[in-house]
Amino acid sequence: DIQMTQSPSSLSASVGDRVTMICRASQSIRTYLNWYQQISGKAPKLLIYGASTLQSGVPSRFTGSGSGTDFALTISSLQPEDFAIYYCQQSYSTPWTFGQGTKVEI
Amino acid sequence: QVQLQESGPGLVKPSETLSLTCTVSGGSVNTYYWSWIRQAAGKGLEWIGRIHSGGSTNYNPSLKSRVTMSVDTSNNQFSVKLTSVTAADTAMYYCAGDRTNDGWFEPWGQGTPVTVSS
Repeated sequence: DIQMTQSPSSLSASVGDRVTMICRASQSIRTYLNWYQQISGKAPKLLIYGASTLQSGVPSRFTGSGSGTDFALTISSLQPEDFAIYYCQQSYSTPWTFGQGTKVEI
Repeated sequence: QVQLQESGPGLVKPSETLSLTCTVSGGSVNTYYWSWIRQAAGKGLEWIGRIHSGGSTNYNPSLKSRVTMSVDTSNNQFSVKLTSVTAADTAMYYCAGDRTNDGWFEPWGQGTPVTVSS
């Protein structure tokens, strides 16, 4: 299985901050990397697929980058509704696997 | 737009079989790949497996010996069965769609909690 490792596990930030979180794969996954946002008690929501393609309806302050084994999700100006847990997921090979999450908190 | 709704018993006894159904509305079960994903309380996400309407399946090897997925095209539903459950199977279970077979999940159901306890 491909292992996905996210860092940091949590971060504290303020509204308006620029925030970046990292996801690393245990082997190259090209750009088969997807990002989800999970707000407490809710189902995950797809933000970015294919490492950098913004899902329809997702605000442009979210940006994904990277290829191979190293990826990043950046929120350019943190909004109150962005406080959540963010998960990366590889779709290069089954079993699809997720990172352990990065919690963005105040 | 396609919406998903999970259903099934919230409580299952150890060693018994967990059975969940996901109802598809606003679209056809024939057009997507369908996955089940679970999340234990306070933990991360675990992909259980997926099925296509044509019947082809991929299961997570960690669960493969206990999992069976099926599609019911007449009722626009798909289902998962997990046998010989233990407390480790207690989790929120989500169904999700993969429209393009690229392995990313959208939409998701709201999730249904399952507790394994006697």
